[in-house]
Amino acid sequence: DQQVKQNSPSLSVQEGRISILNCDYTNSMFDYFLWYKKYPAEGPTFLISISSIKDKNEDGRFTVFLNKSAKHLSLHIVPSQPGDSAVYFCAARPVSGNQFYFGTGTSLTVIP
Amino acid sequence: EADIYQTPRYLVIGTGKKITLECSQTMGHDKMYWYQQDPGMELHLIHYSYGVNSTEKGDLSSESTVSRIRTEHFPLTLESARPSHTSQYLCASSQQGGKYEQYFGPGTRLTVT
Repeated sequence: DQQVKQNSPSLSVQEGRISILNCDYTNSMFDYFLWYKKYPAEGPTFLISISSIKDKNEDGRFTVFLNKSAKHLSLHIVPSQPGDSAVYFCAARPVSGNQFYFGTGTSLTVIP
Repeated sequence: EADIYQTPRYLVIGTGKKITLECSQTMGHDKMYWYQQDPGMELHLIHYSYGVNSTEKGDLSSESTVSRIRTEHFPLTLESARPSHTSQYLCASSQQGGKYEQYFGPGTRLTVT
C-alpha cells in the first residue's frame, strides 16, 4: 500500500513560468518531508525539505508548502528553467520510523 | 561535496550467478541505505545500516544480503541472481542527527538474463 503518492507522472511548463509538483500522503505520523531531483543515469539529489512544524520552506527558486490537514505537499519552482527538467520525487519520514517512503516521481519538462 | 560511489554502473549477468554491488562513501556518514527502483515506480528500501556491524532489512522483502564492516563501505550481495532481480539499485548515506537528507550514488542497473 503506497503511503506517498505523486498522481501526475509528467508535467510540462514554459520556461519562466511556475512549476507546481504535488504529493499526497496517507500516514498522519509522517513528520518530515523531502524533495529530490533525479536526472537520467544519475542518483537522486536532495532539493529541499520541510518539517511538520512548518507550513512553508523556501530556498531560492524552490518553495515547499505543507498542508497537514489535507496531507498534501507541493513544490513550487519559480521561474522554471530548462535545467530543471528532471524527475522529482517526494519522500516522507514517520516520527518513530527509520526509513523514508518515496513517491513514484513526476517528470518535469521545462520548454525553452 | 557529497561523494558516494557505486560499481558497477551497469551489469548483465546470467541466472544463478553470485554478484556483489559495491557502495562506498567518503563523507564519514554513519547511516547507509540500499534502495531498489523499477521504472516509473517508487524507491523501495531493502536494507539499511546505522553503523559498523549494524544492518537491518527494509520494508521490501529482498533475497539480497548486506554487510557493514567499515563505515565507508556497504556492499550488497545476491547469492543466486534471478530475472526477478532485474532492477536499479541505489545506495545512499546520511548523517546522524537532525539532518535527514540522503546522498545517493549514481545507481547500478542490473539485468539478469
